[in-house]
Amino acid sequence: QKEVEQDPGPLSVPEGAIVSLNCTYSNSAFQYFMWYRQYSRKGPELLMYTYSSGNKEDGRFTAQVDKSSKYISLFIRDSQPSDSATYLCASPPGAGRRALTFGSGTRLQVQP
Amino acid sequence: KAGVTQTPRYLIKTRGQQVTLSCSPISGHRSVSWYQQTPGQGLQFLFEYFSETQRNKGNFPGRFSGRQFSNSRSEMNVSTLELGDSALYLCASSFGLAGHTGELFFGEGSRLTVL
Repeated sequence: QKEVEQDPGPLSVPEGAIVSLNCTYSNSAFQYFMWYRQYSRKGPELLMYTYSSGNKEDGRFTAQVDKSSKYISLFIRDSQPSDSATYLCASPPGAGRRALTFGSGTRLQVQP
Repeated sequence: KAGVTQTPRYLIKTRGQQVTLSCSPISGHRSVSWYQQTPGQGLQFLFEYFSETQRNKGNFPGRFSGRQFSNSRSEMNVSTLELGDSALYLCASSFGLAGHTGELFFGEGSRLTVL
């Protein structure tokens, strides 16, 4: 089982929609997670950190962790065509592993 | 401030050849990590170098190797190329060890096609 699992999509939504992107994780010891965004033909860039309790909001983006179900979510409000990208969740190093581990990414297309 | 620079951006090789990819990190960053990205496997960690020393290594065969120079620039080498090595190779830099902060600054990648 991968430590971080993500639905690859693609996910297509109309402009203005609320988008929900999700990951599941297996290691309950993780203290924080990251969301990276990758535009086509570019490298990923850090979008948000989220710690293993509560929500974090940054503009139109909200990151949430549900520890009981080991679920990580990224919500995008009022989605824009410029949000079209692949979104990757990432987990920090854990037992036996000393590098960030990325989910496979969910490709999002926001239709104008 | 210049970002992470990777060269070459695109290259085509044939099976059995070898390839060297180069990465210049953000000025002041001492850690360089390398990832392989493919549609089927996503981003997979290759190795991380910090202060010219390999600090972490992923589960890739010995054909994949790397090094880091005193100016923090890094190279990775893949020998005896196989078709399955076709991928986007991403380099990422960070000020400290990547696992300490989780914030990696990625380059645009080198896209390798093996024929």
